[in-house]
Amino acid sequence: DTGVSQNPRHKITKRGQNVTFRCDPISEHNRLYWYRQTLGQGPEFLTYFQNEAQLEKSRLLSDRFSAERPKGSFSTLEIQRTEQGDSAMYLCASSSRRRGQGTEAFFGQGTRLTVV
Amino acid sequence: AQSVTQLDSQVPVFEEAPVELRCNYSSSVSVYLFWYVQYPNQGLQLLLKYLSGSTLVESINGFEAEFNKSQTSFHLRKPSVHISDTAEYFCALNTNAGKSTFGDGTTLTVKP
Repeated sequence: DTGVSQNPRHKITKRGQNVTFRCDPISEHNRLYWYRQTLGQGPEFLTYFQNEAQLEKSRLLSDRFSAERPKGSFSTLEIQRTEQGDSAMYLCASSSRRRGQGTEAFFGQGTRLTVV
Repeated sequence: AQSVTQLDSQVPVFEEAPVELRCNYSSSVSVYLFWYVQYPNQGLQLLLKYLSGSTLVESINGFEAEFNKSQTSFHLRKPSVHISDTAEYFCALNTNAGKSTFGDGTTLTVKP
């Protein structure tokens, strides 16, 4: 296992189109996170899963965004009716939750979305 | 709620000079602290972490950071920087809930 994998690395889409990104976490990790990073800012939390359950969603995640993690393995993030403001780097991370221990997250290389 | 403040958005420094990138945090619960490095169009790479134990943590490439609970700080230092250290650096914290809160980053530019 070589780490967290994200596909595609780059996506250019026209405004109004739908896009879907995929994240494959480290295989034994039960937690998976999505973050969005815009230019000049740090990553902002979007949502996370523990196994297949989506446990928290940020207010940043409008109703045009949906994330799934079927069977607790890979995850997809879909953006419907894309807007220019959706242009950003979308980062996925995974971690292994151990009770009472700090959780170190491992990040993928990100998917850079450009909406034109 | 948690927050992370990186006090300097840009730090220019000459090669072989020492550098400190400052990070302060706010949290009402116990935290775990991290520094990540990001190169252009890349994801985040973990540089070092404080989970428990010794408050001084070191990375394999010469960076170190010290967790200071009383000052709620986790500053990153390196005694002598290289051109290859030029990158964006992010300080982050998380709690037992697992999700990370990041600062806005510090751009370190090492000049020859």
